[in-house]
Amino acid sequence: SQKIEQNSEALNIQEGKTATLTCNYTNYSPAYLQWYRQDPGRGPVFLLLIRENEKEKRKERLKVTFDTTLKQSLFHITASQPADSATYLCAPEGYGQNFVFGPGTRLSVLP
Amino acid sequence: EAQVTQNPRYLITVTGKKLTVTCSQNMNHEYMSWYRQDPGLGLRQIYYSMNVEVTDKGDVPEGYKVSRKEKRNFPLILESPSPNQTSLYFCASSLTGTVSSGANVLTFGAGSRLTVL
Repeated sequence: SQKIEQNSEALNIQEGKTATLTCNYTNYSPAYLQWYRQDPGRGPVFLLLIRENEKEKRKERLKVTFDTTLKQSLFHITASQPADSATYLCAPEGYGQNFVFGPGTRLSVLP
Repeated sequence: EAQVTQNPRYLITVTGKKLTVTCSQNMNHEYMSWYRQDPGLGLRQIYYSMNVEVTDKGDVPEGYKVSRKEKRNFPLILESPSPNQTSLYFCASSLTGTVSSGANVLTFGAGSRLTVL
């Protein structure tokens, strides 16, 4: 069955540094992968989508890579700010009509 | 404002007392879905709907029912709630559920926190 892992449950970094979050998946080959941000007690919010033929995608301070050989996506936040503190979820395309989410990484950016 | 609206936002109930969590979207989306989120387990899909009158089970459908009589509404029904259904529930919608389209970015509601005693 599909399995999605995100590098760690929690990640603490210093303000101004680059945060790197990892998403690994097994047992299937998604054609695209999405990243969402979730603040405590609120619904996830879409950030970026990257397709299998796109090695890298950028949006402002965010960068996502997608390595279909390694079955891995990396999510980077450059010049991180305390306001970036949240849980980040990866969502590789699921089978059929099933959206599948990873367990999330809780990022804390310390001032 | 384009949004997914869930009600109630908070609910405490007792075992066996039927309840309905409503979900409505104003974006004319075809695809709607219900998730539950539990600590350590992440978001798990309960049911989804590709369009009106079309529903299907997700990963954890036991104990839940849904219906899709209108495009904008997708209520989640707990016929006989049990304590293991205590959770944070999210409704979400997407323009289309067609996987290959790449257009299926999900818009989530604010969540409904349910406690079953």
